[in-house]
Amino acid sequence: DVKVTQSSRYLVKRTGEKVFLECVQDMDHENMFWYRQDPGLGLRLIYFSYDVKMKEKGDIPEGYSVSREKKERFSLILESASTNQTSMYLCATSDQGLAGETQYFGPGTRLLVL
Amino acid sequence: DQQVKQNSPSLSVQEGRISILNCDYTNSMFDYFLWYKKYPAEGPTFLISISSIKDKNEDGRFTVFLNKSAKHLSLHIVPSQPGDSAVYFCAASAVGGANNLFFGTGTRLTVIP
Repeated sequence: DVKVTQSSRYLVKRTGEKVFLECVQDMDHENMFWYRQDPGLGLRLIYFSYDVKMKEKGDIPEGYSVSREKKERFSLILESASTNQTSMYLCATSDQGLAGETQYFGPGTRLLVL
Repeated sequence: DQQVKQNSPSLSVQEGRISILNCDYTNSMFDYFLWYKKYPAEGPTFLISISSIKDKNEDGRFTVFLNKSAKHLSLHIVPSQPGDSAVYFCAASAVGGANNLFFGTGTRLTVIP
């Protein structure tokens, strides 16, 4: 079974703080993704990575950056947290393939920015 | 612009009856479709998928139907059980699309005992 873990289930931060969200997977998957989930908006892709040290912007990368120094770990960084970044953050992984690979999700981190 | 749409934010069904969740898409390049189920405070879990070369895929109580000409897919759950109460997301990907998934906004299913 694929296991995707996220460093925190709940996080409370203040406006302007730098926030790190960590995601670790144990299945040697090439692809890793960060989404945020907001009511009425579904899941929106922030960034993804298809290899170590590689990153690609998703639909809403503004205010975020990512780091992938090791294959199993993908970090999402909020450089200066703002209240509109209060959300549920979900990490996902998938194996490299031609198309149509199922993504496996972690449990999510619910972030509150005050 | 939302390429995958779930126009019903919620659905209530009696236990034992059929639940039908609908999803529409706009991008004709999508060739793989998935349904995910999400409980509160948990990440989405994969439920069932279908490739564009098929029009139906079945797994136990869950069946997904794909109508390519209408750019429409649906998830049928028969019989519905209270444990099926969750938010259901449909998602789609395109060949050569770097494995990106495009998600709908979700439908909250409530199965009433």
